[in-house]
Amino acid sequence: AQSVTQPDIHITVSEGASLELRCNYSYGATPYLFWYVQSPGQGLQLLLKYFSGDTLVQGIKGFEAEFKRSQSSFNLRKPSVHWSDAAEYFCAVAPRNDYKLSFGAGTTVTVRA
Amino acid sequence: DAGVIQSPRHEVTEMGQEVTLRCKPISGHNSLFWYRQTMMRGLELLIYFNNNVPIDDSGMPEDRFSAKMPNASFSTLKIQPSEPRDSAVYFCASSLASSHGELFFGEGSRLTVL
Repeated sequence: AQSVTQPDIHITVSEGASLELRCNYSYGATPYLFWYVQSPGQGLQLLLKYFSGDTLVQGIKGFEAEFKRSQSSFNLRKPSVHWSDAAEYFCAVAPRNDYKLSFGAGTTVTVRA
Repeated sequence: DAGVIQSPRHEVTEMGQEVTLRCKPISGHNSLFWYRQTMMRGLELLIYFNNNVPIDDSGMPEDRFSAKMPNASFSTLKIQPSEPRDSAVYFCASSLASSHGELFFGEGSRLTVL
């Protein structure tokens, strides 16, 4: 069965520290991969996407993600978090021959001073 | 540029009442999605329109839910009659059909059914 897994429900990180959010997927073929962010009371905003090519992709707000085919993973990273990065982060996948975007359960990030 | 606009932002109603949620997609986008977000089930795709035509409504929970897109700039999601288990945040998102998942979300409509 196709699935998207975000193993971490909640992560707390100190301001200025690095952040890594995990995402694993289970699909028949490599899907399109996305990370979205949702601030409290807001809709989701696209951070970055991977379609093909360079496996390290850069996004907005200083985020990057690395696609690893051998591990079926697409982990999100930021070298130094800011208090404004506190939000919920969703990994999402879409099959290459379909429009349907499937979301993981999300990881809530808390930033402490 | 204006983003996806949803109304109302908050709706509190009593069980059995009709609820209508509205969405104005980004101009030029030809795909529109309705999602529901709950703590228990996360983000669920309810229905997808392409060029104003419903393509997939398999995510619509039951016959109490219906969605329309009479033109490229407006869509509605209706629940009739509403039930407490319908309480959730409903998001509308739009995109270009060619963008393969690059969705632009509205701020959502928070529905509470008492």
